[in-house]
Amino acid sequence: ETGVTQSPTHLIKTRGQQVTLRCSSQSGHNTVSWYQQALGQGPQFIFQYYREEENGRGNFPPRFSGLQFPNYSSELNVNALELDDSALYLCASGSARLTGQKETQYFGPGTRLLVL
Amino acid sequence: QQQVKQSPQSLIVQKGGISIINCAYENTAFDYFPWYQQFPGKGPALLIAIRPDVSEKKEGRFTISFNKSAKQFSLHIMDSQPGDSATYFCAASINSGYALNFGKGTSLLVTP
Repeated sequence: ETGVTQSPTHLIKTRGQQVTLRCSSQSGHNTVSWYQQALGQGPQFIFQYYREEENGRGNFPPRFSGLQFPNYSSELNVNALELDDSALYLCASGSARLTGQKETQYFGPGTRLLVL
Repeated sequence: QQQVKQSPQSLIVQKGGISIINCAYENTAFDYFPWYQQFPGKGPALLIAIRPDVSEKKEGRFTISFNKSAKQFSLHIMDSQPGDSATYFCAASINSGYALNFGKGTSLLVTP
């Protein structure tokens, strides 16, 4: 086990609704990244947070947003849900040194979101 | 576009055999190449990783071979076991803790 936890494990929403997914990072980690994994595909990078600020974003629209809290827990918010948002959402935590060098990322078990 | 291309999509190997999964990349700025193992209902788990300053890294039954000039790397699983049956993903990133670019995955089945 990686020590990264996510909640809820499963979620069903309808198109147009909003959803918030949560992640608790491994102790000592100060970066958190979110990935979307569609069925049968590899994870796709959504964004990363470091020191409570967004530190890079993949090819995802602004309706995907996030927060990182001082205790290094994190939220992923998705507004105006679309059918194609149905996927496994993974968070990964890691640590960044003051030099900027970042360490390996460790994934949580994911939240499976189904949009009807 | 897919920055990391992975093959084969699926693989069936007999117990005790060697499983080989290949990946290719285009971005020469990538400097970290991990392999992840994912079981159904679980998140990806880091298996082994390599940086481009070495051509091979071995950890137990798992070996990464890296060819910088060809921009290719591969995972070899020696003495494959039924418990190795899972989906394997290669990935690449600039700086190990930043955005990982994943391949599409290889579904490995090891038969008894």
